Amino acid sequence: GEDVEQSLFLSVREGDSSVINCTYTDSSSTYLYWYKQEPGAGLQLLTYIFSNMDMKQDQRLTVLLNKKDKHLSLRIADTQTGDSAIYFCAVSGGYQKVTFGIGTKLQVIP
Amino acid sequence: DGGITQSPKYLFRKEGQNVTLSCEQNLNHDAMYWYRQDPGQGLRLIYYSQIVNDFQKGDIAEGYSVSREKKESFPLTVTSAQKNPTAFYLCASNTPGSGSGRGEQFFGPGTRLTVL
Repeated sequence: GEDVEQSLFLSVREGDSSVINCTYTDSSSTYLYWYKQEPGAGLQLLTYIFSNMDMKQDQRLTVLLNKKDKHLSLRIADTQTGDSAIYFCAVSGGYQKVTFGIGTKLQVIP
Repeated sequence: DGGITQSPKYLFRKEGQNVTLSCEQNLNHDAMYWYRQDPGQGLRLIYYSQIVNDFQKGDIAEGYSVSREKKESFPLTVTSAQKNPTAFYLCASNTPGSGSGRGEQFFGPGTRLTVL
């Protein structure tokens, strides 16, 4: 089945850029998502990208997709303390269930 | 406002007791899901339902049961057979292959279950 891998932890200083990386195994994955989870809360969809796109920018967020290497990244510009959370990479074939990564905990140091 | 609600937010259970977690959505989504989240383990799928009166086991269904009698509701029962039920439980819904094509899942706020 599909496997999605992420590193567990990332620490950055406030104002710096954060880059969270994700790799997946199923080359037929059509939709790729980034979710954010704040402590004690559910997951909130941050952004998404279709497999026929290389990049998507949404305000401070930039998603890069390297389909050849099955690598997805989320860049957060000017990282703020409010960005501290767990970030989940997820992939789907559209008509199938979504597969989630283990989540990367982002710590922003003031 | 459309969304997913879960209740209660915190739940305490004595060993040997069954307990039911509620999940309701008014997004008119066809599919609903239950996940368990443990520290350092991400989300693990317990059960999912793609249509009313039908559901399938996920990766860790043992010790859990579900029902889907209404489109809006997908309650999860944690039975006494679940050996380590203390966890954060998340409910989600979507309509796979919907008009937007994205099929992303929408999540409820979660229920934290603690076994005493």
